[in-house]
Amino acid sequence: AQSVTQLGSHVSVSEGALVLLRCNYSSSVPPYLFWYVQYPNQGLQLLLKYTTGATLVKGINGFEAEFKKSETSFHLTKPSAHMSDAAEYFCAVSKYGNKLVFGAGTILRVKS
Amino acid sequence: KAGVTQTPRYLIKTRGQQVTLSCSPISGHRSVSWYQQTPGQGLQFLFEYFSETQRNKGNFPGRFSGRQFSNSRSEMNVSTLELGDSALYLCASSVELTGELFFGEGSRLTVL
Repeated sequence: AQSVTQLGSHVSVSEGALVLLRCNYSSSVPPYLFWYVQYPNQGLQLLLKYTTGATLVKGINGFEAEFKKSETSFHLTKPSAHMSDAAEYFCAVSKYGNKLVFGAGTILRVKS
Repeated sequence: KAGVTQTPRYLIKTRGQQVTLSCSPISGHRSVSWYQQTPGQGLQFLFEYFSETQRNKGNFPGRFSGRQFSNSRSEMNVSTLELGDSALYLCASSVELTGELFFGEGSRLTVL
């Protein structure tokens, strides 16, 4: 069975600092991996997706993630945090189709 | 291009009642998925429809059902409501079965 573990339910960074949100997955087959973001009172928005090929994936709003098969990780980073990045971030895995297994989420707080 | 539209946005029901939630996908999207979001269980997959056929179903009791119409619009129904059914129900649409989901803002159901 697939599962996703997000380390840290809350992460706090200063504006302009590096953002690092951690995600580890377990999957019996090569997975599709995703990061979604949810702003308050809104649905989720796709940030980026890994399928095959290049292990460094660039997404929207300056975010990127690196797929490391040996570590079964797919951590999300952004070099410089902005106040508008404050939201909840979800890592997700899928073997096929649109049946995603989501992690518990990480709330990112950006301090001015 | 209009996004995914979910109605109603908020509703309050009492135990034992039933509820129907509606989702209009983005024009041209043939796949609709439903997810339940709660503080305790997080985001959980309910079902997925593609061209009116249910392709996947999550681990929910038979009280939860759904369907998709020929115009790709979808409805989900929950019968005999329980307190634990209180949640944000999110609908997502996509062009194909790639995991790249476009979410609506959700229908927030409160069961009293």
